Amino acid sequence: DGGITQSPKYLFRKEGQNVTLSCEQNLNHDAMYWYRQDPGQGLRLIYYSQIVNDFQKGDIAEGYSVSREKKESFPLTVTSAQKNPTAFYLCASSPRQGTSYEQYFGPGTRLTVT
Amino acid sequence: AQSVTQPDIHITVSEGASLELRCNYSYGATPYLFWYVQSPGQGLQLLLKYFSGDTLVQGIKGFEAEFKRSQSSFNLRKPSVHWSDAAEYFCAVEGSWWGGKLIFGQGTELSVKP
Repeated sequence: DGGITQSPKYLFRKEGQNVTLSCEQNLNHDAMYWYRQDPGQGLRLIYYSQIVNDFQKGDIAEGYSVSREKKESFPLTVTSAQKNPTAFYLCASSPRQGTSYEQYFGPGTRLTVT
Repeated sequence: AQSVTQPDIHITVSEGASLELRCNYSYGATPYLFWYVQSPGQGLQLLLKYFSGDTLVQGIKGFEAEFKRSQSSFNLRKPSVHWSDAAEYFCAVEGSWWGGKLIFGQGTELSVKP
């Protein structure tokens, strides 16, 4: 089955630690995205990548980093610089970045930092 | 600035009743419009999309939406709600002006009374 997998579903970390969230897709999509979801705020774009070895900052990139070494993988690292990291994180992909391409979403990872 | 507004944070309807979820966008040209649904703790699933042509679009699960350029609206409707429709619904806009990225509304949580 084609789709997007995110692991783990729940993640707990102590404050001050970096943590990496996994996102893998087997849809052969060029573009991948990371969103953060907080209650009542919808989804906000963290980073996106149009092609391997290239990525751009979204609206709330501070305190996050990404890599895109393989087409199917787009891991997100939440660094200790992120002031309020507890949130639900969603990964998405689309055939290409640009208008009219539907984004397909993974099941999400809920990160709790204490 | 480009934006999407979903005026209703939470709506409760009785099972079998009709439903309309509101969405208004701010964008100078004709945008690409989407409605997504999210069950608790899950990723987003595309219900329907509007790119051009007929302003009334049909989606999955019996949903439809109507694009009204004069009102900058893209409201989601369903003639008869089922208990399984309880979820959070997101309207999103994509435009070439801002590189094809999705901008999401804040979401509307739908509860269904038996």
